[in-house]
Amino acid sequence: DAKTTQPNSMESNEEEPVHLPCNHSTISGTDYIHWYRQLPSQGPEYVIHGLTSNVNNRMASLAIAEDRKSSTLILHRATLRDAAVYYCILRDVLAGGTSYGKLTFGQGTILTVHP
Amino acid sequence: NAGVTQTPKFQVLKTGQSMTLQCAQDMNHNSMYWYRQDPGMGLRLIYYSASEGTTDKGEVPNGYNVSRLNKREFSLRLESAAPSQTSVYFCASRARNEQFFGPGTRLTVL
Repeated sequence: DAKTTQPNSMESNEEEPVHLPCNHSTISGTDYIHWYRQLPSQGPEYVIHGLTSNVNNRMASLAIAEDRKSSTLILHRATLRDAAVYYCILRDVLAGGTSYGKLTFGQGTILTVHP
Repeated sequence: NAGVTQTPKFQVLKTGQSMTLQCAQDMNHNSMYWYRQDPGMGLRLIYYSASEGTTDKGEVPNGYNVSRLNKREFSLRLESAAPSQTSVYFCASRARNEQFFGPGTRLTVL
């Protein structure tokens, strides 16, 4: 599985934008970039995913570098509820058979949001 | 929709005891997964089931067995619990590009 590298922790102030980086220099052409987050004492929840183009949804935006070796999750206005561990995960869309859909979690980035 | 439910929420076992963690989803998903999360770590995949009737090992399957009872239910069994299995266990189901996680079972093995 291709590996991702994220900062251990980041801090932000409430209502400011947050840019969470992820490096994935060994990404293959069939790897989707997924972001999940885990709020304290909860299971992970899906945030966003993309392949090549930038993506937006109600939770966040995903900016993907042209060479796909890095990406950035953007929270446009951080709230206290966004304090969580954010995981950047690569998933091979062509992984065969029963491997399809497997997610490999790293240690993620702990985001602290200050009031 | 309840989504993904897990029982129990908490459990304390003694070394050598057995137990089954239950997971159910009401979203009609084919694929289901069991993960464990140790303190300060990311999730690691124990077993998964691509569809009813099939199961496969993940990264850390030793000491565990699973049963995909039907499309809704996917259980995880510890036959002889060890302190190294103290962890939080998450079940998930998948729809296309998104996995939905349950609230977790916090297991302590003494």
